[in-house]
Amino acid sequence: EPEVTQTPSHQVTQMGQEVILRCVPISNHLYFYWYRQILGQKVEFLVSFYNNEISEKSEIFDDQFSVERPDGSNFTLKIRSTKLEDSAMYFCASRAGTGVSGEQYFGPGTRLTVT
Amino acid sequence: KQEVTQIPAALSVPEGENLVLNCSFTDSAIYNLQWFRQDPGKGLTSLLLIQSSQREQTSGRLNASLDKSSGRSTLYIAASQPGDSATYLCADGMSARQLTFGSGTQLTVLP
Repeated sequence: EPEVTQTPSHQVTQMGQEVILRCVPISNHLYFYWYRQILGQKVEFLVSFYNNEISEKSEIFDDQFSVERPDGSNFTLKIRSTKLEDSAMYFCASRAGTGVSGEQYFGPGTRLTVT
Repeated sequence: KQEVTQIPAALSVPEGENLVLNCSFTDSAIYNLQWFRQDPGKGLTSLLLIQSSQREQTSGRLNASLDKSSGRSTLYIAASQPGDSATYLCADGMSARQLTFGSGTQLTVLP
């Protein structure tokens, strides 16, 4: 069964460093998302991406964040200068293009630890 | 701003019991309601999706219902098993582009 994959599973970085989190969405999906979950808190929406551009972003997704689909398969989240409060589990999700109410499929997540 | 609430925060039941998890949302103008399972330190596994035009969906021992007028959804688990132990999250598709999550119900099924 097709699934969303994410790499790495765990990333440790020092404050101020840049990190890139990678995702491979399900191959025929058209909508891509990043969410994050700080330990013990709710899953929060960061950004959605469709047709090679951001379609919606939350207030969390500030200038330090960017997303890119560099080729036909990968979808990346970059954090330019990490802060301690960026430590969280980051989930990528994708959705097929069947109308507005399609199911989102999530990857296993990347645990980001900023020290 | 849409708020999603799940009650109870934690639930412990003996194996074999039927149980209901609750989810409420503040704005009834949703596109869909999705239920997920999350195991500790793991990703989100989609269990059921209910479109706004539907009232319920079933998958095996799971049944999810949606009542938009009252802003509520329930997840019914029949004949619970220890392997059902996990955190169950509901999320509403208020916008076509994002999901808003509840804080989850941590379920423990005792053997």
